[in-house]
Amino acid sequence: GAGVSQSPRYKVAKRGQDVALRCDPISGHVSLFWYQQALGQGPEFLTYFQNEAQLDKSGLPSDRFFAERPEGSVSTLKIQRTQQEDSAVYLCASSLVGGQTYGYTFGSGTRLTVV
Amino acid sequence: TQLLEQSPQFLSIQEGENLTVYCNSSSVFSSLQWYRQEPGEGPVLLVTVVTGGEVKKLKRLTFQFGDARKDSSLHITAAQPGDTGLYLCAGRTTDSWGKLQFGAGTQVVVTP
Repeated sequence: GAGVSQSPRYKVAKRGQDVALRCDPISGHVSLFWYQQALGQGPEFLTYFQNEAQLDKSGLPSDRFFAERPEGSVSTLKIQRTQQEDSAVYLCASSLVGGQTYGYTFGSGTRLTVV
Repeated sequence: TQLLEQSPQFLSIQEGENLTVYCNSSSVFSSLQWYRQEPGEGPVLLVTVVTGGEVKKLKRLTFQFGDARKDSSLHITAAQPGDTGLYLCAGRTTDSWGKLQFGAGTQVVVTP
């Protein structure tokens, strides 16, 4: 597609509920990244894929967070047993390659509210 | 603790004024980028700088990368209301090229 597409745009979850957030990167983009952005803050790194391989998951806050990209294109970020502190905007970004000078193209994000 | 410290956190100016936003770190970066983010949208890349001392100009925006590659600045000349947004600097350290780390951002508001 023309840009990075994320769905849903908004998600309200009851505490303890599991959620799945989807990211469709730009076709042909090798690298895919997930970030978490709290209100008034910059994005915080969660995890990074190159094709289907998850190369870095050091930013995932707990073992309740899990990400996958099984065929090297669409990615899903799953959060189990959601907590109120998980409320944030979850941003997905992709880039053509993982080189130093390439910028990311971000999606518009999924705003998760845990009540 | 943010690896990249941005200042000021908030800046409100009138149309036609100039402004400068700073991005500082104690770490050395192999590359540094600036993004602008508007409400409800993802960040949009403005520029990438890779060489210490590098200066890049994009119309009314001037970006500078420090000689030691630890800091950067963004200067806007004759700001316009369309420049309003959250300005984010982001960098890759030499040992984590796959991971772009962001500062907390500077919220810029330009009033007519």
